[in-house]
Amino acid sequence: GAVVSQHPSRVICKSGTSVKIECRSLDFQATTMFWYRQFPKQSLMLMATSNEGSKATYEQGVEKDKFLINHASLTLSTLTVTSAHPEDSSFYICSAPQGPADTQYFGPGTRLTVL
Amino acid sequence: AQTVTQSQPEMSVQEAETVTLSCTYDTSESDYYLFWYKQPPSRQMILVIRQEAYKQQNATENRFSVNFQKAAKSFSLKISDSQLGDAAMYFCAFDTNAGKSTFGDGTTLTVKP
Repeated sequence: GAVVSQHPSRVICKSGTSVKIECRSLDFQATTMFWYRQFPKQSLMLMATSNEGSKATYEQGVEKDKFLINHASLTLSTLTVTSAHPEDSSFYICSAPQGPADTQYFGPGTRLTVL
Repeated sequence: AQTVTQSQPEMSVQEAETVTLSCTYDTSESDYYLFWYKQPPSRQMILVIRQEAYKQQNATENRFSVNFQKAAKSFSLKISDSQLGDAAMYFCAFDTNAGKSTFGDGTTLTVKP
C-alpha cells in the first residue's frame, strides 16, 4: 500500500522560533497533499491543501503567513510554523490521496510542543 | 458544505462480540466516497474500509463491514468478532474532491477482555 512519512515525529521548540515539518510520499507521487491539525481526543481539522507547483490553498481561519506550505516536488510537502507560540502546540498530520476513490494515506504525525 | 456526524462519542464492546458505529452525513452531491479510518493510540490514521456511493453493495473487509443507506445518508461500521487490537478512535469521512475529506468527530471504541 501507499506509504507517507513525516519528519520529525516530535519536536520541542522555544517560543518565537520556526519549525519545519516534512511530509513525503514514499512510493507514489502526490500532486496534492493535505495538512491537518488535531487536538487530543478531537477530530482532524484541515488546515490547507498543498499543491505541487502552485500556492497552497488555506482553510478559512488559518493564517497563511503563520503556517507556510511548500510543495517542492511530487513527493515532498513541508509545513513551516513560523514564530511559534505555545498555542501552536498540537499534533500535525499530513496525508496524500492515492488509488481508488483517492483514498487518503496519512503520515504518522508530528507532535509539536512550543515552550 | 458537507457535514459528517458521529453521534456516539464512546462505545464499548466485549471481546469476540459485535459492535456497530454510527455515521450520518449531509450532502447535495450524488457522487462521493465514504470512509472509515481507525486511529489507535499511536495516532497513525489507518484506512479501515471505503464505499463508493454509486455502488449499492455494501463494502466488506474481513471482520469489518458497512451498512450504507444512501437515501438515509447513513454509513455505519460493523465490527465482528471484536479483538483487543480494535480499540481505537474511529473516524467516518466523506469525500467528493480528490482526497479533501470531511471527518466526523470520532468514536472511541473500547474492547473489554
